[in-house]
Amino acid sequence: QTVVTQEPSLTVSPGGTVTLTCASSTGAVTSNYYPNWFQQKPGQAPRALIYSTSYKHSWTPARFSGSLLGGKAALTLSGVQPEDEAEYYCLLYYGGAWVFGGGTKLAVL
Amino acid sequence: QVQLVQSGSELKKPGASVKVSCKASGYTFTTYAVNWVRQAPGQGLEWMGWINTNTGNPAYVQGFTGRFVFSLDTSVSTAYLHISSPKGEDTAVYYCARGPPNYCVGGSCSTYYFDYWGQGTLVTVSS
Repeated sequence: QTVVTQEPSLTVSPGGTVTLTCASSTGAVTSNYYPNWFQQKPGQAPRALIYSTSYKHSWTPARFSGSLLGGKAALTLSGVQPEDEAEYYCLLYYGGAWVFGGGTKLAVL
Repeated sequence: QVQLVQSGSELKKPGASVKVSCKASGYTFTTYAVNWVRQAPGQGLEWMGWINTNTGNPAYVQGFTGRFVFSLDTSVSTAYLHISSPKGEDTAVYYCARGPPNYCVGGSCSTYYFDYWGQGTLVTVSS
């Protein structure tokens, strides 16, 4: 059973920078896992932010960026806005199957 | 613009089958795969599988084989999720999501993405 692990919760101040990570139970995450990141606010459908590690969708704000960091996929928010308070999910590809991480609840305080 | 519009909420008794639809517009339906994702109350997202909208071939993750069936009606650009003999633990919001292109499903691509999502369909199974 493959497990994808994210920080359960993080807190950041408005205007600050925060990095969320995504680890795989199978070992280091590489670009071959095509990491995707999604934002979900209460009562809403998920919104795609990042795909294939670092590519942004046309609607993704510039303050969001994706990378690989220390064997994990990472999502960095720079200049955090109050509206960035949400749950964030990563998604990794295992050659024919996708697995979501458990999500990170980001509080902006 | 690209849109995925899902059918409305369902309340079903255990054992009564349910069908969720996902109607696509704004693009050529048979170009991209459709994914199905479950979210139980207060829980995270769970990928159920995807369907190649060109060939109609589905792929299911372990745990969603047997009672869960993906199907298509390409004449109306719609994907369906059919749940037979639903149980209480199937109570969840079910989402459809577009992507990647069909040739990536079962193949190899340089990028993989889910981009557009439906609004979700709440399925409640209760006696």
